[in-house]
Amino acid sequence: NAGVTQTPKFQVLKTGQSMTLQCAQDMNHEYMSWYRQDPGMGLRLIHYSVGAGITDQGEVPNGYNVSRSTTEDFPLRLLSAAPSQTSVYFCASSYSPIGSYGYTFGSGTRLTVV
Amino acid sequence: KNEVEQSPQNLTAQEGEFITINCSYSVGISALHWLQQHPGGGIVSLFMLSSGKKKHGRLIATINIQEKHSSLHITASHPRDSAVYICAVRYPETSGSRLTFGEGTQLTVNP
Repeated sequence: NAGVTQTPKFQVLKTGQSMTLQCAQDMNHEYMSWYRQDPGMGLRLIHYSVGAGITDQGEVPNGYNVSRSTTEDFPLRLLSAAPSQTSVYFCASSYSPIGSYGYTFGSGTRLTVV
Repeated sequence: KNEVEQSPQNLTAQEGEFITINCSYSVGISALHWLQQHPGGGIVSLFMLSSGKKKHGRLIATINIQEKHSSLHITASHPRDSAVYICAVRYPETSGSRLTFGEGTQLTVNP
């Protein structure tokens, strides 16, 4: 089924470990983004991309890296995990820059850093 | 302070009731989105508004640009409407898929 695929769904990391959250879409969307969702706060933008080879920082980029080598994939890398990065992470993609046709979200990755 | 304010934070209704969820923002925007987050965590786009009103089934979304306010209405509510409803705005100077989100309204519809 067409959509956004996020893996893994759950992950526990130890402080200082690194990992990559995977995000792939098969809708040929140019626009992709990563958000984190924390209790009592709205979703916050970490990084986004307007096309292959182009990425930019969002609201809370520290501690995260991204790359966009293909239109389909937009992985999020945690360089050295910290307890403050415990959160639920969502990847989203859209066809138009303002989401005229809506946004498609992945099912989320629940990350716990101990 | 969040630039996007939603009210109420929590809402409990009986099946069949008319529901209204409000969203206010502080500066001019280029677009406003309403999203639904299911109890399992999945997020679905419901509407994008830049002016006026949109309707899809039992859901109606309106926006008043001058008052910087949007409402999401659910007619004839049903327990399957129970979810978190999230308002998000896009500011004119931003690019790509950058959205600023409200904290969400938790809706529970009892049978």
